[in-house]
Amino acid sequence: DAGVIQSPRHEVTEMGQEVTLRCKPISGHDYLFWYRQTMMRGLELLIYFNNNVPIDDSGMPEDRFSAKMPNASFSTLKIQPSEPRDSAVYFCASSLNPSYEQYFGPGTRLTVT
Amino acid sequence: GQSLEQPSEVTAVEGAIVQINCTYQTSGFYGLSWYQQHDGGAPTFLSYNALDGLEETGRFSSFLSRSDSYGYLLLQELQMKDSASYFCAVRGGRDDKIIFGKGTRLHILP
Repeated sequence: DAGVIQSPRHEVTEMGQEVTLRCKPISGHDYLFWYRQTMMRGLELLIYFNNNVPIDDSGMPEDRFSAKMPNASFSTLKIQPSEPRDSAVYFCASSLNPSYEQYFGPGTRLTVT
Repeated sequence: GQSLEQPSEVTAVEGAIVQINCTYQTSGFYGLSWYQQHDGGAPTFLSYNALDGLEETGRFSSFLSRSDSYGYLLLQELQMKDSASYFCAVRGGRDDKIIFGKGTRLHILP
């Protein structure tokens, strides 16, 4: 398996633009997680899904953020409109069991100017 | 609520042993995980403890005491490539939350 795949790897956009981050989890993993990492706030869980259903979205910063998982092999995290404070590395991870080993994708480095 | 505490930085010498501590506060505890992250990379899983005691995997070991809400990661025979950030993570709480600690940056001196 290729592991968790994320795209794009880098994204630079202007404030106010819509940003869509994509993730393909490892086949067979029922759980998918979206994280945001910054120096100031560390690694924060934004939302996670079980069998395509959102379980905990309390980490989503505000209504500008939305996440979907239309099927078992694809998820998106959308920011609309984007703001400079959204600049961070966004990781997607998947697992068979949320308590146990999560496999992280390479991350998307987002810069909002 | 849930919280995790771990030191922000630890420094050790190549070839030595270092222990990174993690204390947590949560209800409905499932287990404690440890992840390693090199600069510019993604977190990678190291270990998981659901029960009290020591789990050993090569040079790395992880310990858990549920009664003390405490765990640690032990790294032996330190190598320069072990220079990285180490995160503890727990799952628990009424809302089935998963949280990561702020991470401990391990500096290794030659």
